[in-house]
Amino acid sequence: GESVGLHLPTLSVQEGDNSIINCAYSNSASDYFIWYKQESGKGPQFIIDIRSNMDKRQGQRVTVLLNKTVKHLSLQIAATQPGDSAVYFCAENIPYNFNKFYFGSGTKLNVKP
Amino acid sequence: EPEVTQTPSHQVTQMGQEVILRCVPISNHLYFYWYRQILGQKVEFLVSFYNNEISEKSEIFDDQFSVERPDGSNFTLKIRSTKLEDSAMYFCASSDTTSGRPDTQYFGPGTRLTVL
Repeated sequence: GESVGLHLPTLSVQEGDNSIINCAYSNSASDYFIWYKQESGKGPQFIIDIRSNMDKRQGQRVTVLLNKTVKHLSLQIAATQPGDSAVYFCAENIPYNFNKFYFGSGTKLNVKP
Repeated sequence: EPEVTQTPSHQVTQMGQEVILRCVPISNHLYFYWYRQILGQKVEFLVSFYNNEISEKSEIFDDQFSVERPDGSNFTLKIRSTKLEDSAMYFCASSDTTSGRPDTQYFGPGTRLTVL
């Protein structure tokens, strides 16, 4: 039968504004997290990662925040550009299952020029 | 910059036929993965491979699926008898290791499999 598409939450921002994308992860034992960007028709592209011994990590124009208490990750993109338009999702990894990554369902970011 | 490559970019097959999807991981990486993404849905883990054997597999990865590293560079996913519901994008990924744990996974561009 026909598969039903997943309705992705969408974040629309104006070019130049900052974007914040959120992810709730499922397993309190997860200790390694990655944010990916996926453009239409392409494979996921690594953006930034963080291990659980940190609560913040910065890259170029991106910052990841980790709140282990509430099992929450966020990705902040500074000065958002039209090229940032994509689906963003987080992935988590568990120490005792460390060859398997669990992906979230994603957030679609629309950047308006 | 090294990258993961996949061939073909699009594979069309008849239901019941066997398909082999091919991947060339980044050359110094030790961990290899296959994921699939049904249109409009999230990326789903299929299998991970390390030291020439499967290290993890999901419930999706049943007896119809198999993986192989036939030589020092290729990593393949075989689906023995394709079903309509196997239609999806299949992504290969590879990663290095940090202190014995997999590090960042780098994905290939994907193979779109269409089963008719």
